[in-house]
Amino acid sequence: GEDVEQSLFLSVREGDSSVINCTYTDSSSTYLYWYKQEPGAGLQLLTYIFSNMDMKQDQRLTVLLNKKDKHLSLRIADTQTGDSAIYFCAEISSGTYKYIFGTGTRLKVLA
Amino acid sequence: DGGITQSPKYLFRKEGQNVTLSCEQNLNHDAMYWYRQDPGQGLRLIYYSQIVNDFQKGDIAEGYSVSREKKESFPLTVTSAQKNPTAFYLCASSTWGGTVPGDTQYFGPGTRLTVL
Repeated sequence: GEDVEQSLFLSVREGDSSVINCTYTDSSSTYLYWYKQEPGAGLQLLTYIFSNMDMKQDQRLTVLLNKKDKHLSLRIADTQTGDSAIYFCAEISSGTYKYIFGTGTRLKVLA
Repeated sequence: DGGITQSPKYLFRKEGQNVTLSCEQNLNHDAMYWYRQDPGQGLRLIYYSQIVNDFQKGDIAEGYSVSREKKESFPLTVTSAQKNPTAFYLCASSTWGGTVPGDTQYFGPGTRLTVL
């Protein structure tokens, strides 16, 4: 079935790197997404990666894609307290065109 | 400013009443979506609409209804049949409804519904 899995919590110290992991199921997904949700707010698109890429870098964000293992990760360099939020990965189901979201990883940055 | 607006931000309802949540977008997107988010859980799809005057049930449509009479608007009604309606509701839109590679969803700020 369609299921995107993420670990629920991650805690890091300010200035360290954060790595948020995601496992997806649809091997034919052409784009994979990372969203950020701050408390009480909607989801904000952070970045996305095309499936023919292994890596995409955007300022402090690095996305790594391992298609063989269906594993996606988001690395945040020099993590700041403002990065504390819930991070969702998402894919589009090739059969139904529905967006499938992971359960979200709550990142807590300790000062 | 282009974007998606949801109103109200907070909504209180007595048990047994229907209530309608508003979602408007001026992004000229064809597709619109409603999700429900409960604490510690991901997003669950309630209804979606790929085009005006057409919509489909998502994974948890029971107790909800929608309409899509205009491209810009996709209101969600939470009926009294919804057994546990207290949640955070998110509306989203996308240009092509996921049918074109690179299609991306954009989200509104959400409405928190509390049933008293």
